[in-house]
Amino acid sequence: DADVTQTPRNRITKTGKRIMLECSQTKGHDRMYWYRQDPGLGLRLIYYSFDVKDINKGEISDGYSVSRQAQAKFSLSLESAIPNQTALYFCATSDLSHGSDTDTQYFGPGTRLTVL
Amino acid sequence: RKEVEQDPGPFNVPEGATVAFNCTYSNSASQSFFWYRQDCRKEPKLLMSVYSSGNEDGRFTAQLNRASQYISLLIRDSKLSDSATYLCVVNIPTGRRALTFGSGTRLQVQP
Repeated sequence: DADVTQTPRNRITKTGKRIMLECSQTKGHDRMYWYRQDPGLGLRLIYYSFDVKDINKGEISDGYSVSRQAQAKFSLSLESAIPNQTALYFCATSDLSHGSDTDTQYFGPGTRLTVL
Repeated sequence: RKEVEQDPGPFNVPEGATVAFNCTYSNSASQSFFWYRQDCRKEPKLLMSVYSSGNEDGRFTAQLNRASQYISLLIRDSKLSDSATYLCVVNIPTGRRALTFGSGTRLQVQP
């Protein structure tokens, strides 16, 4: 069973619609992240959360919002989708709670979003 | 200047070849470095961390050069299954621990 799951896996929507992408994890990690990936641009950080009460903007948060409903759940919302939000979206988790100085991230399978 | 830069490739090599990728980073205070592998339309997965002393895992060797601010990945005896995009990942210390990903180097190993 996958440790990090994302729903939906694919979504086609229209400009102006509200969309929610959901992420769940069974790894018990405190930290969760949302990235988008565009061809030639690599992964860019949208939002991240270091625990349930800690939400931080990443480098491209405009047009997005998030909710950390529980340690295991982190959802990403597009309040009014626009075509340039068409991308592959990844959720990831990591855990520094044991004093490690590394930050290995574990990714979900991705959600392919198309905004028409 | 991008915070993490990689040659996008593609690197086309025959099976059995040795291939090396470099990645440069701009922030000299960066402390953590990684190589991730991403197959087409799949999620990135950690390939290996990069330690100051360098590290090796089978056919893969990673090196860090702090003075020149680059990391490298060497793949020996390339296999068809090594075909993928290799992402260089660096932590950019801004008070919060968040990683910065390079845009990746694509490797195609040919029979």
